[in-house]
Amino acid sequence: SYVLTQPPSVSVAPGKTARISCGGNNIASKSVHWYQQKPGQAPLLVIYYDIDRPSGIPERFSGSNSGNTATLTISRVEAGDEADYYCQVWDSSSDHRVFGGGTKLTVL
Amino acid sequence: QVQLVESGGGVVEAGRSLRLSCAASGFTFSSYAMHWVRQAPGEGLEWVALISDDGSDKCYADSVKGRFTISRDNSKNTLYLQMNSLRAEDTALYYCARDWGRDGYNYSDYWGQGTLVTVSS
Repeated sequence: SYVLTQPPSVSVAPGKTARISCGGNNIASKSVHWYQQKPGQAPLLVIYYDIDRPSGIPERFSGSNSGNTATLTISRVEAGDEADYYCQVWDSSSDHRVFGGGTKLTVL
Repeated sequence: QVQLVESGGGVVEAGRSLRLSCAASGFTFSSYAMHWVRQAPGEGLEWVALISDDGSDKCYADSVKGRFTISRDNSKNTLYLQMNSLRAEDTALYYCARDWGRDGYNYSDYWGQGTLVTVSS
């Protein structure tokens, strides 16, 4: 089955740029979606179809997808961005939704 | 506004059964595929099952296939998850989530707050 690999943790200082990777075999051929989850809350969609942002999500959040890696980029990081972030695809070969293992973003 | 409210969680002994429900409101429930996604304590998100808008298509994670059954009642705007032969590793917060996307199955734009299932061994 398809596997998505994320780094367990990423740390960044306020005001800097955070990049969270999501690795998968030829992931560029799939649509990648990203969720933010804060403690005690349900996941919140922050990026869909690799690069699109739902209404209400700041422009500081952006996505890209190329080769074997998709990336969520958060510019001008704020303390409120501290959360777990998950990438997700639909694997049509197995008819499974697949999540990455999640990345804990720490704002220093 | 879109609302998804899960219920039916609780503490159950290993080997027993439990049925979860997810009441939907604020949108045309019968037009959307739906998912169950779970999260074990301190762990990441794990997809459990999907059902198409009309209930004709169902998909399951390997970890629950043959034990769990997803279903829906579009007349009641309700999604279900029948969980049989429960194991300790099924202990998790179970979310229902709406599927959305331009083709096939894609992402979830709305999630419930979850219902907690604890399986005692």
